[in-house]
Amino acid sequence: DIQMTQSPSSLSASVGDRITITCQASQDISNFLNWYQQKPGKAPNLLIYVASNLETGVPSRFSGSGSGTHFTFTISSLQPEDIATYYCQQYDSLPITFGQGTRLEIK
Amino acid sequence: QVQLVESGGGVVQPGRSLRLSCAASGFTFSRSGMHWVRQAPGKGLEWVAVIWYDGGIKHYADSVKGRFAISRDNSKNTLSLQMNSLRAEDTAVYYCARDASGSFRYLDSWGQGALVTVSS
Repeated sequence: DIQMTQSPSSLSASVGDRITITCQASQDISNFLNWYQQKPGKAPNLLIYVASNLETGVPSRFSGSGSGTHFTFTISSLQPEDIATYYCQQYDSLPITFGQGTRLEIK
Repeated sequence: QVQLVESGGGVVQPGRSLRLSCAASGFTFSRSGMHWVRQAPGKGLEWVAVIWYDGGIKHYADSVKGRFAISRDNSKNTLSLQMNSLRAEDTAVYYCARDASGSFRYLDSWGQGALVTVSS
């Protein structure tokens, strides 16, 4: 199975900050990488697909990049409504695997 | 709009069975791969199973292989998960999710989740 390692596991930042989350795959997954946001008590929500494509309706402050084994997820200017846990997910091969999540808090 | 509604969750004793259902609407169900993903209390997301758009191919996580069975009825726009020989570690919120493809790529719509608690 492909292991997905996210860092950091938690992050505290201020409104307006630029924040970056990284996701490392245990083997080359090309660009078969997605990012999800999960707010407390809610289902996950797709933000970025195929490493860098913004899902329809998702604000442009969210972005993703990377290929191979190293990927990054960025929020260019943190907003209060971005408080959530963020997960990366690979689909290069089954089983689909998720990162352990990054919990984002506002200072 | 896409809507996925899970049902069938509840409290069940270890070793017993439970069946989850997911009613789909707002899209052409028969064209989409469908997944079950679970989340244990306070934990991260764990993929459970996928079924191809036509039901012809199914894959499972090792943790549920041989105990869980995913199925679909494209005439009724319904996805199911039959869970047998349940264990305490199967306690989780179970989400059904639509794949953007006919097999597996990215999960672009999710249900609200159904809580399954395995406890004596």
